[in-house]
Amino acid sequence: RKEVEQDPGPFNVPEGATVAFNCTYSNSASQSFFWYRQDCRKEPKLLMSVYSSGNEDGRFTAQLNRASQYISLLIRDSKLSDSATYLCVVNVDTDKLIFGTGTRLQVFP
Amino acid sequence: DTGVSQDPRHKITKRGQNVTFRCDPISEHNRLYWYRQTLGQGPEFLTYFQNEAQLEKSRLLSDRFSAERPKGSFSTLEIQRTEQGDSAMYLCAIQTLSSYEQYFGPGTRLTVT
Repeated sequence: RKEVEQDPGPFNVPEGATVAFNCTYSNSASQSFFWYRQDCRKEPKLLMSVYSSGNEDGRFTAQLNRASQYISLLIRDSKLSDSATYLCVVNVDTDKLIFGTGTRLQVFP
Repeated sequence: DTGVSQDPRHKITKRGQNVTFRCDPISEHNRLYWYRQTLGQGPEFLTYFQNEAQLEKSRLLSDRFSAERPKGSFSTLEIQRTEQGDSAMYLCAIQTLSSYEQYFGPGTRLTVT
C-alpha cells in the first residue's frame, strides 16, 4: 500500500465549477500536511499547508481528518489557470515529505 | 521565486557517463533536500542535509549516487555510471526554519540515452 494515495484523475470541470480532491495517508504518525500544485514539467509549488481545524485561502479550502487519515482540497469557482496536478503531501518525523502521485485537474471554458 | 536555483536545467547523457547537478539556495537554510520525480509519479525523497551533515539517505540512493553539501550552502548530486532508469527530474528543496514547508528549485531534467 502506498503511503499517500490519491485518485489520479483527470478531473475535467467547466470554469466556475467546484471540485474536490481527496487523499488518504497510511502513517498515523504523520505530523504535517500540505497540498502542492505542479504544472506540466515544472517544479511543485506549495499551495497551502493543512491544519487540523481546516483552513481556507481564497477559493481553496483544505480539511484534515486525523482519525480517518484523510485530507481534502476543495476548489471553488474554478479558473482555467487552476489546471494542474495537485499533490497531496505528508511529513513524518519532521523530515522528508511523502508525496502522492497527484490528481490532475483540467478546467475547460 | 523560491530562492533555489539548480544547474543545469536539462542534461542529456549517454549511459555509463557520470553527471553532477548543483543546487544553490539564495539564502541560508539549514535543511536542503534532494528528490527524484519520474513521469506520472510524485517526487520521491533521496537524501537531505542539515547544514553540511547528510542525515538520511533513501534506499533509492544506490551506491552510484552521492551527494555533498561541503559548506552548508550549495549542494551537489552526482550519479556515476548512469543508467536509463536514472532518467528523471531531480529536484532540490529547502526547508524553512520556522515550519516544515519545503520550497523547490526548478529541477534538473536528466535524460540518459
